[in-house]
Amino acid sequence: TQLLEQSPQFLSIQEGENLTVYCNSSSVFSSLQWYRQEPGEGPVLLVTVVTGGEVKKLKRLTFQFGDARKDSSLHITAAQPGDTGLYLCAGANRDDKIIFGKGTRLHILP
Amino acid sequence: NAGVTQTPKFRILKIGQSMTLQCAQDMNHNYMYWYRQDPGMGLKLIYYSVGAGITDKGEVPNGYNVSRSTTEDFPLRLELAAPSQTSVYFCASSLSGTRNNQPQHFGDGTRLSIL
Repeated sequence: TQLLEQSPQFLSIQEGENLTVYCNSSSVFSSLQWYRQEPGEGPVLLVTVVTGGEVKKLKRLTFQFGDARKDSSLHITAAQPGDTGLYLCAGANRDDKIIFGKGTRLHILP
Repeated sequence: NAGVTQTPKFRILKIGQSMTLQCAQDMNHNYMYWYRQDPGMGLKLIYYSVGAGITDKGEVPNGYNVSRSTTEDFPLRLELAAPSQTSVYFCASSLSGTRNNQPQHFGDGTRLSIL
């Protein structure tokens, strides 16, 4: 069974600080997606990474896919209260199924 | 654009009752999915469909049934509700599945409590 472990589970930091959250697996994935979910809503896709070592930037968010395509990280620079939410990573292979991690719940204090 | 629409948003059922969770998408997506999300847990796949008339089991299919008679609709049926089925249920759709790295578009969920 493929598993995705996300760490930390919870993170509460002050506005303006930097942070990194991680998504790790012992399995290889053909692609990895990051979603953000806010209370009472469904997850919304932030980015998809496909190539080992790939780095993608979305304003203050930087996503990296590990060289072996088993892990990924999300780095947020100068966190803002609007970044608060549940961050989910999801690994995909070519069998049409996506495996989700349990998420990192991020709270940015003003 | 409506995207993925789920109804109802909230429901309370008694043990043993049955109900159908509705999901409709207007993006002409071929793939549709049902997940459940329990507190502190990630999303677990219940059933999915790669097109009208085709359904497949996911990780946790027991106690649920689905059908896909049209491209737009993918209802999830609970026949004999059990307390273990208390959860938030999310429906999602994507254009062509994981082979082309297509994103999943999620509805806002149905919060279901079984008492």
